[in-house]
Amino acid sequence: DSGVTQTPKHLITATGQRVTLRCSPRSGDLSVYWYQQSLDQGLQFLIQYYNGEERAKGNILERFSAQQFPDLHSELNLSSLELGDSALYFCASSGPTPGTEAFFGQGTRLTVV
Amino acid sequence: GEDVEQSLFLSVREGDSSVINCTYTDSSSTYLYWYKQEPGAGLQLLTYIFSNMDMKQDQRLTVLLNKKDKHLSLRIADTQTGDSAIYFCAQDDGNTPLVFGKGTRLSVIA
Repeated sequence: DSGVTQTPKHLITATGQRVTLRCSPRSGDLSVYWYQQSLDQGLQFLIQYYNGEERAKGNILERFSAQQFPDLHSELNLSSLELGDSALYFCASSGPTPGTEAFFGQGTRLTVV
Repeated sequence: GEDVEQSLFLSVREGDSSVINCTYTDSSSTYLYWYKQEPGAGLQLLTYIFSNMDMKQDQRLTVLLNKKDKHLSLRIADTQTGDSAIYFCAQDDGNTPLVFGKGTRLSVIA
């Protein structure tokens, strides 16, 4: 158990809909990262939050947004869903020191039908 | 930009050694990581190496780093069926989030 909790584990929804994925980082970790894993693109970095503030942005679509709350949990919002958004979405957390290990959650498998 | 390349597949016989290779482009990488992903699971950190090291050994795992060629490898000795998974190489310059390769799927044949 990595200590990073993601809910839900599985999500099936229709095109055009909006979903929210939730992540609780490890106790004490201030950084939260979101990654998308698809078969053809591998593991793509989406966005990072550090102590409530956006720290870095990767290949995140405008239809996607995220936030980190005062209790440090994070949510990834995906809207106007398309078939191509079907993927595994991972959350990871790490401590404040650069180079410290990033711990990954089990992921949320999103299927858009 | 940053890029990490890995071969996509590797098949070995049980008991043999596996060598998974990775090349990266960011010369400012401070840390290089190997993660393992088992079916249906998240990524688990296997080992990492600082950029000022050439080699790191941890039980059955040996990491070799060639900074000149920007080449990283992971050797798994006495590969077991439980080692079947996807292995990701990742680089970290300490300032930006981890950049991952596409992963190498290791199949261990009994």
